[in-house]
Order: sequence, then C-alpha cells, then structure tokens
Amino acid sequence: KAGVTQTPRYLIKTRGQQVTLSCSPISGHRSVSWYQQTPGQGLQFLFEYFSETQRNKGNFPGRFSGRQFSNSRSEMNVSTLELGDSALYLCASSLGARVTEAFFGQGTRLTVV
Amino acid sequence: QKEVEQNSGPLSVPEGAIASLNCTYSDRGSQSFFWYRQYSGKSPELIMSIYSNGDKEDGRFTAQLNKASQYVSLLIRDSQPSDSATYLCAVNRRGGADGLTFGKGTHLIIQP
Repeated sequence: KAGVTQTPRYLIKTRGQQVTLSCSPISGHRSVSWYQQTPGQGLQFLFEYFSETQRNKGNFPGRFSGRQFSNSRSEMNVSTLELGDSALYLCASSLGARVTEAFFGQGTRLTVV
Repeated sequence: QKEVEQNSGPLSVPEGAIASLNCTYSDRGSQSFFWYRQYSGKSPELIMSIYSNGDKEDGRFTAQLNKASQYVSLLIRDSQPSDSATYLCAVNRRGGADGLTFGKGTHLIIQP
C-alpha cells in the first residue's frame, strides 16, 4: 500500500515568489492536513481538507492557502514568500474527517533566499 | 501555558533499559493522543495512538493515558540504539478542529 507522497522534496525560492506544493494521500484516505515544521516553533497546523472542503485552518496569514481535488490529492500555495517561510512542510493523510490517526509524507523542504 | 508540553531532553538511556517519555496537555476536552517518532531529517512516523484512560501496549511500546491528570506517557522497553530519535506527543483538541497539536518533542538517545 503506497504511503503519502509529497512533491517536490526540495525547493529553493526567492523572497516575493510564490510556491505550490503537492500531496497525494494514502489510497482511500479522504482527509489531508498540512503542517509547517521549524526548529523554533515545532510542528504547527496549517489547514485540513476533507472531501474538497477546507474544514479547519490554523493561525497562519492568508498568504497560505490550499485546495483538495476530487481524487483527494491536495495542494498548498504560499504567495509572496518571506524568509520566515523557510521550513519543512508536511502533509498528513487520515481516513476520515476530524483527524484520527494521521500518516505523514516525507515533506517538502522549502528554503526562501 | 503551552498546550502540549514535553521535556526537550536530551534523555539518555542505556541500551536494554526502559525509556520513559512524558507529555502533559492543557485542554481537558482533548480526546485522542498520539506518539510520533521522528529521525533527524525525516518526517514523523506514527507509533502509538491512545484514546481511553489506561495502558495500551504494542510490542516494546506502551502508551499510558491519564485524563484526570492530563498526561500521556510512552514507555519503550528493551531500548535499542535504533530507538534514538525525537519523540513527538500529539493531541487531538476540540475534536480535531485545530488539527493535531504537537509538543516540541523529546530527544531520546540510547547509549550502546
């Protein structure tokens, strides 16, 4: 059974640019959550999608957005990148809504220069 | 008060001994509790979930939950060097309305 797949694994972007990250959940899982991990703040919840609808959103500015497609694949977008957006972005896949057991992908390491 | 607190460590344990990792949480309405293991440079890996008071055992791992005291712990028996990692406690607050809330993690070192 394939796990959670995130692409790309690594990205280097310049301040002011935008970036799109992709996540394919475990087959049959309908919930996708996104997290940001930094050394200082740890893992922080960005948002959760279930059946193409954003159900919850964490305390992040509007520059962070996402969407989910009918096949449960999800993308997150960060616009007007700032140096502080450099982080590991993790996608987690869950079977149903309201996050039960969540399984993480390998993450996308974003560096903003 | 932080929502999920863990001692950052490092916690150093001899090989073969029991490693005990602790976590406290502030939201009494929390319903689901998880332990993740994260190796350096890798993503978190789910190792235990617990939903009701008491102990839950899975191989060398035992999760313990005490909702009255608002703490959850993870015991690792017969610790191996491969258990050296950061262990993250995660709590499902408000029925998951805020996703999972993570502690900062405890860095565990198993000494051969």
